[in-house]
Amino acid sequence: DIQMTQSPSSLSASVGDRVTITCRASQSISSYLNWYQQKPGKAPKLLIYTESSLQNGVPSRFGGSGSGTDFTLTISGLQPEDFATYYCQQTSTTPPTFGQGTKLEIK
Amino acid sequence: QVQLQESGPGLVKPSGTLSLTCDVSGGSISTSYLWSWVRQPPTKGLEWIGEIHHSGSIKYNPSLKGRVTISVDKSKNQILLNLKSVTAADTAVYYCARKVSAAIMWANWFDPWGQGTQVTVSS
Repeated sequence: DIQMTQSPSSLSASVGDRVTITCRASQSISSYLNWYQQKPGKAPKLLIYTESSLQNGVPSRFGGSGSGTDFTLTISGLQPEDFATYYCQQTSTTPPTFGQGTKLEIK
Repeated sequence: QVQLQESGPGLVKPSGTLSLTCDVSGGSISTSYLWSWVRQPPTKGLEWIGEIHHSGSIKYNPSLKGRVTISVDKSKNQILLNLKSVTAADTAVYYCARKVSAAIMWANWFDPWGQGTQVTVSS
């Protein structure tokens, strides 16, 4: 299975900050990388698919980039509703696998 | 829009069988989409369990070592999950999700997800 490693595991930031979350794959996954947001007690919500495509309805302050093994999720101008846990997911091979998550907390 | 809702017993005894149902509303399961199950143990990350197409095509996560069965009930528009010989390690929130694919097979993602159902394995 492809291992997905996110960093950092947790992050403190303030409203208005720009934050970057990194996801590294154990082997090349081309651009087959998705990002999800999960709030406590809720299901994951798709934010970005195939590395950089923004899901309908997701604010443009969310952005994804990368290819191969290294990917980033950037949130420009944090809003109070953005404090959550973020997961990356690769779909290059079966089984699809997820990163361990990055918890974004309010500073 | 499509909505998914999981249901099933919240408590299962060790060595027993976990059986869950995912009700799909707002659209038919008999489309080009695949339907997946994903679980999340307490305070941990997400694990893909498997997926099914209404035609009968199925894939499972090898990590579940033949304990899992996914099926569909077209008459009820449901996706079903059975996991046998459960242990405490199977305690988790179980989600069903629709798998959306682009023209390239490997370009796919899960959307939407059900709200999830908590299953605890304990005597």
